[in-house]
Amino acid sequence: KAGVTQTPRYLIKTRGQQVTLSCSPISGHRSVSWYQQTPGQGLQFLFEYFSETQRNKGNFPGRFSGRQFSNSRSEMNVSTLELGDSALYLCASSSQRGAGTGELFFGEGSRLTVL
Amino acid sequence: QKEVEQNSGPLSVPEGAIASLNCTYSDRGSQSFFWYRQYSGKSPELIMFIYSNGDKEDGRFTAQLNKASQYVSLLIRDSQPSDSATYLCAVNDAGNNRKLIWGLGTSLAVNP
Repeated sequence: KAGVTQTPRYLIKTRGQQVTLSCSPISGHRSVSWYQQTPGQGLQFLFEYFSETQRNKGNFPGRFSGRQFSNSRSEMNVSTLELGDSALYLCASSSQRGAGTGELFFGEGSRLTVL
Repeated sequence: QKEVEQNSGPLSVPEGAIASLNCTYSDRGSQSFFWYRQYSGKSPELIMFIYSNGDKEDGRFTAQLNKASQYVSLLIRDSQPSDSATYLCAVNDAGNNRKLIWGLGTSLAVNP
């Protein structure tokens, strides 16, 4: 059974640019959550999608957005990149509706560096 | 502000010893508690979850929950160097079950 796949794994951008990250969940999983991980802040919840609808959102500015497609694949976009956006972006899929109800399966992450 | 607190460590134990990792949470209504392990450069993976007060054992791992004290712990018996990792405690947000509240993690080093 294939795991959660995230692309790209590494990317370098400059301030002001935008970036799109992709996540393919485990087959059959309909819930996809996105997290930002930094050494100082730990895992910070960005948003969760279930059945193509954003079900919950964390405390991030509107520059961070996402969507989910009918095949459950998800993308997140960060516009007008800032230096502070440098982080590991993790995607997690779940068979349960709501991260608090079940096991999360994480992808390997997309490491973004903003110069 | 709902919080999950963990001692950042590093917690250093000799091989074969018991490692004890602790986590306290502020949301009294939380019902689901998770321990994730994250190796350096890797993504988190679930190793234990617990919903009821008391102990839950799975191999060398034991999760302990005390809701009255808002405290959850993870014991690792016969610690191995391969257990060296950061352990993340996550607790469901009682007001919004779609969310988990994460601790910053405890770094564990098991010395051969």
